[in-house]
Amino acid sequence: QQQVKQSPQSLIVQKGGISIINCAYENTAFDYFPWYQQFPGKGPALLIAIRPDVSEKKEGRFTISFNKSAKQFSLHIMDSQPGDSATYFCAANGGGSNYKLTFGKGTLLTVNP
Amino acid sequence: DAGITQSPRHKVTETGTPVTLRCHQTENHRYMYWYRQDPGHGLRLIHYSYGVKDTDKGEVSDGYSVSRSKTEDFLLTLESATSSQTSVYFCAISGGGTQYFGPGTRLLVL
Repeated sequence: QQQVKQSPQSLIVQKGGISIINCAYENTAFDYFPWYQQFPGKGPALLIAIRPDVSEKKEGRFTISFNKSAKQFSLHIMDSQPGDSATYFCAANGGGSNYKLTFGKGTLLTVNP
Repeated sequence: DAGITQSPRHKVTETGTPVTLRCHQTENHRYMYWYRQDPGHGLRLIHYSYGVKDTDKGEVSDGYSVSRSKTEDFLLTLESATSSQTSVYFCAISGGGTQYFGPGTRLLVL
């Protein structure tokens, strides 16, 4: 049973545009929601994370929006740049259970120049 | 890569042979994890450790075993490699919360 559903699988955006990736979860015990960025041949790197006590978190051009009632969260990349082209994974942590993460299947973002 | 190394970085092996992958950390973190990454499946947890000699299964543990005799090292063993275990394997560490990933090991089982 997939507990974190991520969409879209792939996304093409023009330089300067907004990239939006969505995730939905089922387990209401999840209490930490990180996003990871992965470049080809590299390991995933933490990009930004949020806890359910806030509805939005912004770091530079990256923003997480969180909707607890809908059990959804999304990543917005403002002013997308070709260097943002990567695979993005959302994840959720069940809290207190050895900090295990459940990952979405990933979104391949391509930002055209 | 947050003080995490994985070895080997690339390996080609034959079906039926045992394979051991090593993850080494210099952060003294309590938690260590092994994932595999496959197209269309994202990252799936194989096994994890919450302390020396303390390990537990993840969602795709069949055919894999792990050991952790020291805080800094977490070994993943494919007892008898199969072609379905061809994948990229990532180790991650956590001090309690955020996970940090290693550079990965690309394994090809022929």
